This record gives sequence, C-alpha cells and structure tokens, in this order.
Amino acid sequence: AQSVTQLDSQVPVFEEAPVELRCNYSSSVSVYLFWYVQYPNQGLQLLLKYLSGSTLVESINGFEAEFNKSQTSFHLRKPSVHISDTAEYFCAVIQGGSEKLVFGKGTKLTVNP
Amino acid sequence: GAGVSQTPSNKVTEKGKYVELRCDPISGHTALYWYRQSLGQGPEFLIYFQGTGAADDSGLPNDRFFAVRPEGSVSTLKIQRTERGDSAVYLCASSLFGTTADTQYFGPGTRLTVL
Repeated sequence: AQSVTQLDSQVPVFEEAPVELRCNYSSSVSVYLFWYVQYPNQGLQLLLKYLSGSTLVESINGFEAEFNKSQTSFHLRKPSVHISDTAEYFCAVIQGGSEKLVFGKGTKLTVNP
Repeated sequence: GAGVSQTPSNKVTEKGKYVELRCDPISGHTALYWYRQSLGQGPEFLIYFQGTGAADDSGLPNDRFFAVRPEGSVSTLKIQRTERGDSAVYLCASSLFGTTADTQYFGPGTRLTVL
C-alpha cells in the first residue's frame, strides 16, 4: 500500500529564513503528488500539485516543490518565509488509477519574528 | 461561490450512541470523499462517491460505518454504536469529476468526541 513519510513533525524558523519541508513516498509506477496547507482554524487547502511534465511546481505564494522520482521525494521549499506561512503542511499522494489521497502525518511550520 | 460545508462542526456523544455527519459538496461536483483525521495524524481515506454510488469504500474501518449520497449531492456519514476510538475530525471533500488529476476541495470538518 502507498505510504507517505513527512520526516519532521515540527519546523520552527525565523521570518525571512528559507525553509524545506521534507516528504517521501513509497515507490510506485505512477503517482501524483500534492501539498495541502491548513492554516489555524481553517480547512485543508491545496497548495500545489505535480501531475506530469516539469518536475518543479510552484504555488502562487512563493512555495515550490520538486518531484524526484529516483529519491521518491517531493520536498516543499520557500526561500524566504513570512509569519503568515505559519500553518500545518500535509504531503499527499494518489497512486495512478486511484482517486484516494494518502496523506503524511503533517509538518507544523512556525514562523517566528 | 460556497465551498464544502459540514454539519455539525462539533458533535459530542456517548459511547454506544448513533451519530450522523452531513456534508454539502460544492454545487456541481460529482465526486465526494470522506476522510478521518485522528489527533496527530494526517487524514485517512474512508469512502469515495461518484454520483450516487460508492465507488470505493475500502477505507471504512468496520460495518459500524456507513455512508450514503442518495441524490448525488449531499452525503451523510453514519456511525452506529460509537466507540471512544471513533473520536476524530471527519473531513469531507468534493471534486468536479472525480478523476485522479482533479483537485479535492475540503470542508472544515466535524469534530466528533465520543465520551
């Protein structure tokens, strides 16, 4: 069965610092990869997704993630974070032919002033 | 437009009772999903509807859990003989066509507490 590992449960950083949230998935022939974000007291929102094509995908608020098939990773990065990026971030995968998202346990990003 | 809505937002019940959780998907979305998120965990898939039919119910933990979507819109998740281990946030999501590439839009969830 497909699984997703988020190696860090909590990541504290200072404002304007770079951040990387790590995500690895179990190998599969074809997968589609997602990052969802949950801001305090809000529901899950899609941040970005990889379906095919360019392995680097970007969000509208400056996050990017790179699909690395050989390392089965989909790490999320941002070169300079803001306090408003404080949230919990979930990596998820859908195996080709399926419609169900398989989530990691989440990483709580806290951006301090 | 309106997003996915779920009612109630909070539900407290006693062990052994029956509960119903409701999900209103985004208008026009054909696919509807239920997930369960326990404390400290990511959401876990329960069931997926395409229209009125359950296309995949492989995530339902046991026969105490049942879900319906009789008219292809609103869905109800039903839990019989609740147990303390059922305490979690129950999330509903919908997508336009239900294909793999479709974005799933999530509701705010129903927090179920079984005493």
